[in-house]
Amino acid sequence: EVQLVESGGGLVQPGRSLKLSCAASGFTFSNYGMAWVRQAPTKGLEWVATISYDGSSTYYRDSVKGRFTISRDNAKSTLYLQMDSLRSEDTATYYCAHPRELGYFDYWGQGVMVTVSS
Amino acid sequence: DIVLTQSPVLAVSLGQRATISCRASQSVSISSINLMHWYQQKPGQQPKLLIYRASNLASGIPARFSGSGSGTDFTLTIDPVQADDIAAYYCQQSRESPPTFGAGTKLELK
Repeated sequence: EVQLVESGGGLVQPGRSLKLSCAASGFTFSNYGMAWVRQAPTKGLEWVATISYDGSSTYYRDSVKGRFTISRDNAKSTLYLQMDSLRSEDTATYYCAHPRELGYFDYWGQGVMVTVSS
Repeated sequence: DIVLTQSPVLAVSLGQRATISCRASQSVSISSINLMHWYQQKPGQQPKLLIYRASNLASGIPARFSGSGSGTDFTLTIDPVQADDIAAYYCQQSRESPPTFGAGTKLELK
């Protein structure tokens, strides 16, 4: 059974940093790209970033480029999202998700809440 | 970015058919491949994949869910609607980067 378990969320002040983790199990993590998708309170879903299976390629939405870094440790089957210079508009539940080759997300974690506020 | 437009709310009676639409600002199809997908999300839960490539049922999803469409217009149908189907439904395109989602349609009981 595929499991994606996020951790590392919390309350952080604007301008500060936070690092999210996603522990994966139930599939061969090193064979697949991974992604982060977020959802602001009472809002819709928004793709954040994607990383290739080996970490050699990364992709970001424009609003987080230069501030967020997606990475992975295949030996630990863990995905990361380093978030720097956080803004109030980054407040959201962040989901770790498994993207298929045609771009849909077939597995999702339970999500972790990030609140950016002074 | 490709914008996906959904109606915010759809009210339906149990046992009836629900038709949820999603319109894209440009075609999300390549040849015969329709890169539109559908998710269900219940309050406090993560999204769940229902339909991929417009009309393919994801694993474990009941046959009362179906999808159709091509180009810019797509539909998710639930027939018949059951109480467990009350949730928000999102469409998502993967034709172009960035992948984008519709704002969601909240299915409510009439």
